[in-house]
Amino acid sequence: DADVTQTPRNRITKTGKRIMLECSQTKGHDRMYWYRQDPGLGLRLIYYSFDVKDINKGEISDGYSVSRQAQAKFSLSLESAIPNQTALYFCATRPTPSSYNEQFFGPGTRLTVL
Amino acid sequence: AQTVTQSQPEMSVQEAETVTLSCTYDTSESDYYLFWYKQPPSRQMILVIRQEAYKQQNATENRFSVNFQKAAKSFSLKISDSQLGDAAMYFCAFLGGGSNYKLTFGKGTLLTVNP
Repeated sequence: DADVTQTPRNRITKTGKRIMLECSQTKGHDRMYWYRQDPGLGLRLIYYSFDVKDINKGEISDGYSVSRQAQAKFSLSLESAIPNQTALYFCATRPTPSSYNEQFFGPGTRLTVL
Repeated sequence: AQTVTQSQPEMSVQEAETVTLSCTYDTSESDYYLFWYKQPPSRQMILVIRQEAYKQQNATENRFSVNFQKAAKSFSLKISDSQLGDAAMYFCAFLGGGSNYKLTFGKGTLLTVNP
């Protein structure tokens, strides 16, 4: 079984709809992240969380919100989706402390907003 | 703010040959970490190799090695004996030691391996 899972894997929605992307991990890591990948732009950080009560904005948080329901779950919401939020979304985790500072990525969610 | 630059949007290599992907970065920090991630068509992000800035020795993982030039802020990836399965998008990434909460990614290099 995968250590970091994301649901759904693919989603098509319409402008104005509310969408939630979910991330779950069985690695027992404290830190969780949401990234967005656009063609030609690499990955950019949306939100990150160091524990259930510690949530922080990343570089492109406008239009998004998150919820850390438990150590293992970190959800990303688009309150009113717009077409330029069409992208590939990744959840990642990292343990604390971490000797190697490696982040472990989920399989990604491809979101299309029409 | 840190920036990561990959100057080669696309590269190609013949099977069994060697290819080098370039990455430069800009930071004022002295303690940091550098990574190369591979993203095949399955879109999974896979860690290829990591380098701690305090280590002078270049990291090596089987056919993958890096040339880390700290003074020049350069971190290139060399793939030896290229295989068809190496075809993917490759991302260089930076993690600051002082603000080590996020990875900063380059825009990626698409590697094609020709049989």
